[in-house]
Amino acid sequence: EVQLLESGGGLVQPGGSLRLSCAASGFIFSSYTMGWVRQAPGKGLEWVSDISSSGTRTYYADSVKGRFTISRDNSKNTLYLQVNSLRVEDTAMYHCAKAMSSGSSYDYWGQGTLVTVSS
Amino acid sequence: DMQMTQSPSSLSASVGDRITITCRAGRGIGNYLAWYQQKPGMLPKLLIHLASTLQSGVPSRFSGSGSGTDFTLTISSLQPEDVATYYCQNYDNAPLTFGGGTKVEIK
Repeated sequence: EVQLLESGGGLVQPGGSLRLSCAASGFIFSSYTMGWVRQAPGKGLEWVSDISSSGTRTYYADSVKGRFTISRDNSKNTLYLQVNSLRVEDTAMYHCAKAMSSGSSYDYWGQGTLVTVSS
Repeated sequence: DMQMTQSPSSLSASVGDRITITCRAGRGIGNYLAWYQQKPGMLPKLLIHLASTLQSGVPSRFSGSGSGTDFTLTISSLQPEDVATYYCQNYDNAPLTFGGGTKVEIK
């Protein structure tokens, strides 16, 4: 059974940083592209970032480029999102998601970790 | 930036009705389009990928069509359990933009 378990969210002041993690199990993690999608309270889905199976290729939404960094450790079956220079508008539930294949749609989603940016 | 425009933003229909949601891409994306269903308080669920391929386990009343810039999601006979918000997503190239969502309710 595929499981994705996020952690690392919390309350942070504007300009602060967090490191989000996503522990994966139930599939061969190193074979799949992974991504992060966020959803602000009461709002729609917003794609944030993707990383290739090997970690060599990364992609970002314009809204987070230069502030967020996606990475993965295939030896630990773990996906990361370093979020820096946080803004109030970054407040959202952050979900990790598994792609069906390279450059594909997401077939599994984690429950998410909540990031709240507020002074 | 790549835009995915969904319409309508919400709709209300009766049980058994056929409903159609449209998604327009800002540029041609081939058939690299997915549809997701998100029920209240739940995670998004992949319904359709490659514009028209039904994900395993999804009821056959759901169907998708289109290519290039214009896509549709159709529910042939709306059921009470279909109350949800539906999102399209481009995955042709980054940014993998989602549409704004269509909220479906029962009349």
